Amino acid sequence: DGGITQSPKYLFRKEGQNVTLSCEQNLNHDAMYWYRQDPGQGLRLIYYSQIVNDFQKGDIAEGYSVSREKKESFPLTVTSAQKNPTAFYLCASSTTQGIWAETQYFGPGTRLLVL
Amino acid sequence: AQKVTQAQTEISVVEKEDVTLDCVYETRDTTYYLFWYKQPPSGELVFLIRRNSFDEQNEISGRYSWNFQKSTSSFNFTITASQVVDSAVYFCALSGGGADGLTFGKGTHLIIQP
Repeated sequence: DGGITQSPKYLFRKEGQNVTLSCEQNLNHDAMYWYRQDPGQGLRLIYYSQIVNDFQKGDIAEGYSVSREKKESFPLTVTSAQKNPTAFYLCASSTTQGIWAETQYFGPGTRLLVL
Repeated sequence: AQKVTQAQTEISVVEKEDVTLDCVYETRDTTYYLFWYKQPPSGELVFLIRRNSFDEQNEISGRYSWNFQKSTSSFNFTITASQVVDSAVYFCALSGGGADGLTFGKGTHLIIQP
């Protein structure tokens, strides 16, 4: 079955530690996205990538980093510079059709907690 | 800047009632796209509908219907004869096009009581 997988489901971070969240898709989508969701809030865009080896900052990129070395994978690193990392992180992917906004499909999410 | 407002934080109705979730958006783009997603307790967002700004036809899919009105910048979602399985958080989202990210509203928590 095609889809998006995220791992781990739960992740615990110690103070000053960098952690990496995995996102893999087998939908052959060119574009991938990372969003952060806080309780009672909507999703906010962290980073997105429209093509391999290229990515752009979203609205809340500070304290995060990404890479896009393969079409299928878009890992997100939460660095120690992110002072309030506790949140639910959602990865999404979509096709790209020029100026058209294609539908984004989401993975199951990773809950990050700070110890 | 784009903005999506879902003024209803939480709605609670009894099963079989009809319920409408409101979505008001702001954008300077002449072409844009609107989406609705459902987030059940598991957390994963489930896509429901995409609407282009140049297509103002309302849409019905089973018990779900959507009313898009450019004049009032609204894209409301109605569930007819609600069921307990409809309980979830519903998000409205906006895109200006391309493969940029979505701008989400804060969501409406819908509770369907048996």
